[in-house]
Amino acid sequence: DTEVTQTPKHLVMGMTNKKSLKCEQHMGHRAMYWYKQKAKKPPELMFVYSYEKLSINESVPSRFSPECPNSSLLNLHLHALQPEDSALYLCASSPGPGGETQYFGPGTRLLVL
Amino acid sequence: QKEVEQNSGPLSVPEGAIASLNCTYSDRGSQSFFWYRQYSGKSPELIMSIYSNGDKEDGRFTAQLNKASQYVSLLIRDSQPSDSATYLCAVNWGNAGNMLTFGGGTRLMVKP
Repeated sequence: DTEVTQTPKHLVMGMTNKKSLKCEQHMGHRAMYWYKQKAKKPPELMFVYSYEKLSINESVPSRFSPECPNSSLLNLHLHALQPEDSALYLCASSPGPGGETQYFGPGTRLLVL
Repeated sequence: QKEVEQNSGPLSVPEGAIASLNCTYSDRGSQSFFWYRQYSGKSPELIMSIYSNGDKEDGRFTAQLNKASQYVSLLIRDSQPSDSATYLCAVNWGNAGNMLTFGGGTRLMVKP
């Protein structure tokens, strides 16, 4: 089973709202990722968690705040977003942080008004 | 700057034909290579991973890797209209953190 789940599927928020995206995997994977994908563009890496510790932050603005409460769960907390942050947010996981295949969840489509 | 290049397409092939998708990358130190398929509005789905020079076959799909030429390709035999999607080539540079860099994707259209 290579399933990564994400909730919610869709999210509409105002620029003053606070919301969170959730990602879960039960494959025993020890690396988890957040990507952002704009229309007709490839996914862009935002954050990498390796063994529940943040290992990579690709210069993402502080209005995006990741959290890894345990090895199966990854959250992305959103606050004071801008309309240009509207995108598909993808979570992925891999068995470890060493070049293994990454498996993607279905994504959360975010619209910031 | 580590780069992954793909022809954006669209690549149009008739049903039953072989579709050939190509990808070049900039860093000879790259270690892992992946092909993902992405339907419009959906998330990327893994098609194939390849780590060693040569061919790797899985059903109708064959990935080919040539590290000397810094080139990876995906062949789709007996193309079906359901194969119409954007195909993303991704390269892992082997650095810490398992960072993938994606090419821009090639849009494939299989016409009945």
